[in-house]
Amino acid sequence: AQSVTQPDIHITVSEGASLELRCNYSYGATPYLFWYVQSPGQGLQLLLKYFSGDTLVQGIKGFEAEFKRSQSSFNLRKPSVHWSDAAEYFCAVGEGPNDYKLSFGAGTTVTVRA
Amino acid sequence: DTAVSQTPKYLVTQMGNDKSIKCEQNLGHDTMYWYKQDSKKFLKIMFSYNNKELIINETVPNRFSPKSPDKAHLNLHINSLELGDSAVYFCASSQVGGGEQYFGPGTRLTVT
Repeated sequence: AQSVTQPDIHITVSEGASLELRCNYSYGATPYLFWYVQSPGQGLQLLLKYFSGDTLVQGIKGFEAEFKRSQSSFNLRKPSVHWSDAAEYFCAVGEGPNDYKLSFGAGTTVTVRA
Repeated sequence: DTAVSQTPKYLVTQMGNDKSIKCEQNLGHDTMYWYKQDSKKFLKIMFSYNNKELIINETVPNRFSPKSPDKAHLNLHINSLELGDSAVYFCASSQVGGGEQYFGPGTRLTVT
C-alpha cells in the first residue's frame, strides 16, 4: 500500500518570500500524486497533479511541484507567497487508474507573516 | 454553481442518536467518496462508490452506512453516535477512480 510523509508540520514564511513544502511517498510503481490546499473552515482544493510526463507540473495560484522518482518526492513550491496562501497543505498519492483510494499526508500548516 | 455540496454544514447531536449527512455532485462524475478528518486534520478514506456500487470500505464500524441512490448522490448515515465520531466529514467525487478528486465543503459533526 502507498503512504505519504510530509516532514514539516508547520512552516512560517514572510510575505513575498519563497515557499517549499516537502512530500515523500512510498509506492513501488509510478504513483499518481496530488497537492491539495485547505483554507480554514473550507474543503480541499486541488492545486496540481502528476500522472506522467513532464516531471515539473504547474498548478493554480502560482504553485508548481516537481516529481523526483529517485528521491520518491513531490515537493511543492511557490516563488513569492501572498498572505492568502496561509492554509493547510496536503500531499496525496494514489496507485493509478482505477485506484479508488487516495492516501493523504498529515498536512503542513503554512503561516504567512507580514 | 457548487460542484460538490454537503448538508448540513454543522451537526451537533448527543451520543446514541442517529444522523445523516447528504452529498450531491453536479460534475457528472462516476465515483464518490467519504473521508473523515480528525482533530489533527488527518484525512482518511472511509468509503468509495463507483456507479452506485461500493468499492472501498476502509474498516469503518458498521454503525456507518453509506447509501448511493444514484451516481450524483452519496449519503452517510450514522447510527448510535459516539464521542469519537466527532470530526469533519468530507464528500468528494472524481470522474474515474484514480483521477483528481473534488471535495465538498465538509460537515462538522460534534457529538456531546
